[in-house]
Amino acid sequence: GEDVEQSLFLSVREGDSSVINCTYTDSSSTYLYWYKQEPGAGLQLLTYIFSNMDMKQDQRLTVLLNKKDKHLSLRIADTQTGDSAIYYCAETLYSSASKIIFGSGTRLSIRP
Amino acid sequence: GAVVSQHPSWVICKSGTSVKIECRSLDFQATTMFWYRQFPKQSLMLMATSNEGSKATYEQGVEKDKFLINHASLTLSTLTVTSAHPEDSSFYICSASQAGPGSYEQYFGPGTRLTVT
Repeated sequence: GEDVEQSLFLSVREGDSSVINCTYTDSSSTYLYWYKQEPGAGLQLLTYIFSNMDMKQDQRLTVLLNKKDKHLSLRIADTQTGDSAIYYCAETLYSSASKIIFGSGTRLSIRP
Repeated sequence: GAVVSQHPSWVICKSGTSVKIECRSLDFQATTMFWYRQFPKQSLMLMATSNEGSKATYEQGVEKDKFLINHASLTLSTLTVTSAHPEDSSFYICSASQAGPGSYEQYFGPGTRLTVT
């Protein structure tokens, strides 16, 4: 079945790296995404990775994909207070290319 | 580019009334638009997918007669919550895709918070 799981909370110190993890169940995923949602706002696409890739880096963001373990991670280097938000892992499936399945979201809080 | 707006950003209505929420793609043509619902501290759940000029496809468990979706043009989709009840109070988010099914990216609106009293 379709299921995307994430831990609910993560707290990191300002300046440290944040690593948010996600697992998914469907091996037919085509694209995997990371979205950011700030309080009371919509979703902002941070980055995405195609399922035949292992890694993607974009400035402070690094996405790692382990297809064997169906594990996706987002690393945010030099975490800043503006990174405080909920981060959603999501996937689209080969069988339903336009449908995005979201995880439960990980709330990232930054401590000084 | 690729901006999606929603109107209103928040609305309070009385139980039994209907509420219409608009979703617009401001600088691109959206072949496909999506409507999501998000309860407090929960993730987004897809309600329906609409393609311009055709009937919306609803997800299992979503009542199509209660949540009326009209995708009248390539830049506008509307969601009407009919005979709203307090349990319909939620954050409704739309998204739009430029290239239709298969496009990897959806652009999300800022959301509309509906409170039914």
